[in-house]
Amino acid sequence: QVQLQESGPGLVKPSQTLSLTCTVSGGSISSGDYYWSWIRQPPGKGLEWIGYIYYSGSTYYNPSLKSRVTISVDTSKNQFSLKLSSVTAADTAVYYCARERAIGDAFDIWGQGTMVTVSS
Amino acid sequence: DIQMTQSPSSLSASVGDRVTITCRASQSISSYLNWYQQKPGKAPKLLIYAASSLQSGVPSRFSGSGSGTDFTLTISSLQPEDFATYYCQQSYSTRAFGGGTKVEIK
Repeated sequence: QVQLQESGPGLVKPSQTLSLTCTVSGGSISSGDYYWSWIRQPPGKGLEWIGYIYYSGSTYYNPSLKSRVTISVDTSKNQFSLKLSSVTAADTAVYYCARERAIGDAFDIWGQGTMVTVSS
Repeated sequence: DIQMTQSPSSLSASVGDRVTITCRASQSISSYLNWYQQKPGKAPKLLIYAASSLQSGVPSRFSGSGSGTDFTLTISSLQPEDFATYYCQQSYSTRAFGGGTKVEIK
């Protein structure tokens, strides 16, 4: 049973870089059929897709965040990571990692989510 | 970018009711439409993929239909555990979610 687990600081100062890691267990991140995404949800609001990465390292980002986002993968650790630069209070959200079964498919497995607050 | 619009944004219903939620895309997305259920403090759960395919383990009272720009999620007989927020999501291009529909107890 594949499981995803987010980790990283819960508090980030404005203008700094938010960094999170998603650890994949119960399966290999290098399985070629899957794409690995980051999705966020501000308190009391809806879901926003941030971007995805394939195990080969190819990425696709939401154009609205593209200038500030970097997603990377470490296949040796079975992890993928998110960096979001120049954060503001508007980046305060629960951040989820999720697996997309195949290109154009659905997010079938999600992490439990981690709350990140941007505040000085 | 393709915009996803859900309606209603909230609804009140009773156990046993038939509930229908609609989702409209700003341009055609074929059948690249998925539905999720989210309960407070939890991650979303996949219910329906490819517009009408039931995810493994999801009760058969959930069903989806539509193609192109107009889609529906139907719960045939609402159960107590179905009170939650539901989101549609398109996987045709830059992934995007609808604004959500909160299903509350009447």
